[in-house]
Amino acid sequence: DGGITQSPKYLFRKEGQNVTLSCEQNLNHDAMYWYRQDPGQGLRLIYYSQIVNDFQKGDIAEGYSVSREKKESFPLTVTSAQKNPTAFYLCASSRRDSDYGYTFGSGTRLTVV
Amino acid sequence: AQKVTQAQTEISVVEKEDVTLDCVYETRDTTYYLFWYKQPPSGELVFLIRRNSFDEQNEISGRYSWNFQKSTSSFNFTITASQVVDSAVYFCALKSFNAGNNRKLIWGLGTSLAVNP
Repeated sequence: DGGITQSPKYLFRKEGQNVTLSCEQNLNHDAMYWYRQDPGQGLRLIYYSQIVNDFQKGDIAEGYSVSREKKESFPLTVTSAQKNPTAFYLCASSRRDSDYGYTFGSGTRLTVV
Repeated sequence: AQKVTQAQTEISVVEKEDVTLDCVYETRDTTYYLFWYKQPPSGELVFLIRRNSFDEQNEISGRYSWNFQKSTSSFNFTITASQVVDSAVYFCALKSFNAGNNRKLIWGLGTSLAVNP
């Protein structure tokens, strides 16, 4: 079945460490997105990519980095520069320039201790 | 500016009650799409419906129905005879397709619905 796989589901890291969240899709979607979700704040866009080897900053990109070397994969690195990284992270994909919505992964809950 | 407002932060109902979740949007664009997503406790957002700006027909899918009114810039979602499994956070979103705006979904903050037995 086609879909988006995010791994791991739960992630614990020590403060000051970089951590990479995985997002893989087999939907043949061109566009991929990373969102951060905090209680009461809805979904905030971190980065998005419309095509391979290209990506743009979203609304809260500071302290995060991404790469898009393959169409299927869009990993997100939470760097030590992110001041408050504990959150729920959602990856999504869509057809490019499409009137369709997004397909979401099941999310990764990152806790920094 | 584009914006989606879900004024109801939390709603609590008893099973079998009907419940309406409000969504008000703002956009100057003429071509846009509106969406509703459901986020159950598991965390994954599930697509419920998409409606384009040129189609104001209401839609019904089982116990779910949607009322789109351009005159009031609203796209409300009603669950009839609610069930415990409807407990989730529901998000309304806007996607515009005029030049310069066709890349991102604009999200509301969500409404948390609790359906109690």
